[in-house]
Amino acid sequence: DGGITQSPKYLFRKEGQNVTLSCEQNLNHDAMYWYRQDPGQGLRLIYYSQIVNDFQKGDIAEGYSVSREKKESFPLTVTSAQKNPTAFYLCASSITRGGSGNQPQHFGDGTRLSIL
Amino acid sequence: GNSVTQMEGPVTLSEEAFLTINCTYTATGYPSLFWYVQYPGEGLQLLLKATKADDKGSNKGFEATYRKETTSFHLEKGSVQVSDSAVYFCALMNYGGSQGNLIFGKGTKLSVKP
Repeated sequence: DGGITQSPKYLFRKEGQNVTLSCEQNLNHDAMYWYRQDPGQGLRLIYYSQIVNDFQKGDIAEGYSVSREKKESFPLTVTSAQKNPTAFYLCASSITRGGSGNQPQHFGDGTRLSIL
Repeated sequence: GNSVTQMEGPVTLSEEAFLTINCTYTATGYPSLFWYVQYPGEGLQLLLKATKADDKGSNKGFEATYRKETTSFHLEKGSVQVSDSAVYFCALMNYGGSQGNLIFGKGTKLSVKP
């Protein structure tokens, strides 16, 4: 079945460490997104990518980095510069970004990151 | 700018009760509107959508009507079940140009008791 796979489901990080969250999709979607979810805050956009080798900062990009070397993959690195990384991270994809018509985003099941 | 405001939870109902979760939005142009649902420990699933004024989205007994005059997209269900317990997010998307990102409300947690 087509979908979005995020791994791992739970991740622990020590202070000062970088950690990378995986996101893979087999939906043949051009656009991919990373969101952060905190209790009572809804979802906030970290980074998005419209096409391979291109990505843009979202609303809360500080302390995060991404790459888009393949259409199927959009890994997120949480760097040591992110002072409050404990959160639930969601990856999403859509056929394209922008344009006309309705193009809802499809979401993975998320990765919960905690600081040790 | 674009924004979504939805009623704060948690909302606790008994099984078979009527559900309304209010959602209002601020946007330029003519956005598409969505309701997503998040079950415990999972990602978001699209529940229903409406792309223009007066459209009614519906799925699994849930309905929402795109009201441009009141900038609202309230979610309703006539008879909730325990399995409907989840967090519900209202969202909008404007298309074209530099736009095209989903803007989410903060979510409303629904608990349905047997």
